[in-house]
Amino acid sequence: DAGVIQSPRHEVTEMGQEVTLRCKPISGHNSLFWYRQTMMRGLELLIYFNNNVPIDDSGMPEDRFSAKMPNASFSTLKIQPSEPRDSAVYFCASSLGSQDTQYFGPGTRLTVL
Amino acid sequence: SQQGEEDPQALSIQEGENATMNCSYKTSINNLQWYRQNSGRGLVHLILIRSNEREKHSGRLRVTLDTSKKSSSLLITASRAADTASYFCATDGSNYKLTFGKGTLLTVNP
Repeated sequence: DAGVIQSPRHEVTEMGQEVTLRCKPISGHNSLFWYRQTMMRGLELLIYFNNNVPIDDSGMPEDRFSAKMPNASFSTLKIQPSEPRDSAVYFCASSLGSQDTQYFGPGTRLTVL
Repeated sequence: SQQGEEDPQALSIQEGENATMNCSYKTSINNLQWYRQNSGRGLVHLILIRSNEREKHSGRLRVTLDTSKKSSSLLITASRAADTASYFCATDGSNYKLTFGKGTLLTVNP
């Protein structure tokens, strides 16, 4: 198995632009998580899905952030409009169940100028 | 709020020495996990210990869990330069998801 796949690996954009991050979880995993990691705030859970349904989005910072999981093999995290403070590394992770071992993707390093 | 809190925040040792990192948490758990993150990479699962276990080994790793004190420790024996990374504990708590601490940055000097 290729593991969790994320794209792009790096994204540089200007303030106000829309950014879409993509994730393909490990096949057969029922839970998918989006995290944001910064030096200041550490690793923050943004949202997680179970069986493609958003279960907890309390970590989503504001309405500019949205996430979808249209099927078991694909999820997106969208930021519109982006702001410099959104600059961070965004990780996607998947697991068999919500409390099982999580397998992380390589992350997307986002820089908003 | 953070469920798991690692201590110390940073640790620097010489190759061959042992490294001990601690994790404290607040609410009851079903299991506790330790992860490692190399610079610029995603987190990698190291070991899981269940609430009814007190100690677990995996290679050079030893994890202990004291549910009465709500704490866990990760011991890396005979450290190597390649062990340099950040180490995170994660707990499941009661909200059906894992909560990660802020991590301990371990530097092993050759």
